[in-house]
Amino acid sequence: DAKTTQPNSMESNEEEPVHLPCNHSTISGTDYIHWYRQLPSQGPEYVIHGLTSNVNNRMASLAIAEDRKSSTLILHRATLRDAAVYYCILLRDDKIIFGKGTRLHILP
Amino acid sequence: ETGVTQTPRHLVMGMTNKKSLKCEQHLGHNAMYWYKQSAKKPLELMFVYSLEERVENNSVPSRFSPECPNSSHLFLHLHTLQPEDSALYLCASSLLGWSAGANVLTFGAGSRLTVL
Repeated sequence: DAKTTQPNSMESNEEEPVHLPCNHSTISGTDYIHWYRQLPSQGPEYVIHGLTSNVNNRMASLAIAEDRKSSTLILHRATLRDAAVYYCILLRDDKIIFGKGTRLHILP
Repeated sequence: ETGVTQTPRHLVMGMTNKKSLKCEQHLGHNAMYWYKQSAKKPLELMFVYSLEERVENNSVPSRFSPECPNSSHLFLHLHTLQPEDSALYLCASSLLGWSAGANVLTFGAGSRLTVL
């Protein structure tokens, strides 16, 4: 299984940008990098994914290192509703395996 | 509204009961999944159905029995469960085949199961 490493928890102030890191040093050339988040009492929710280039969507941005061994999910302006567990996942010709993720706390 | 509906949202059952969890999606997706989420543990993949055929069975005990009668519906039949089976059971679906790298899952809200 492709492995990712994330901090257990992070804190951020409301209305400030948040940078959530993920290390994936064993990534292979065909692995996609996916991010999901799970809000309290809900199922996981897709956030963004990418392969080599940085990606932007309405929820977030994904910055992928040039060697692809790490990536960063960027929430441009955190709100209280962004408090959740964020999962960084590598996906190849394989099932989607979730790790423990990063619990993001937003301070008002 | 996520597009994937799970019922019931909460279920309490004894160890000798037989019950079923239901999942429904009308997103036109081709693959459906069951995940288990226990307290303080990562999500564990249980079963994968692609085009109504089971393509993955992740060493799940036989007291859990999945059924996929069509591409829109997925069931998880439960019998003779143990208290340690208490968990949140999550259903998901995806448009692409389950092994595609760009695959995106849409999850339901889950069914919270308590086994007494």
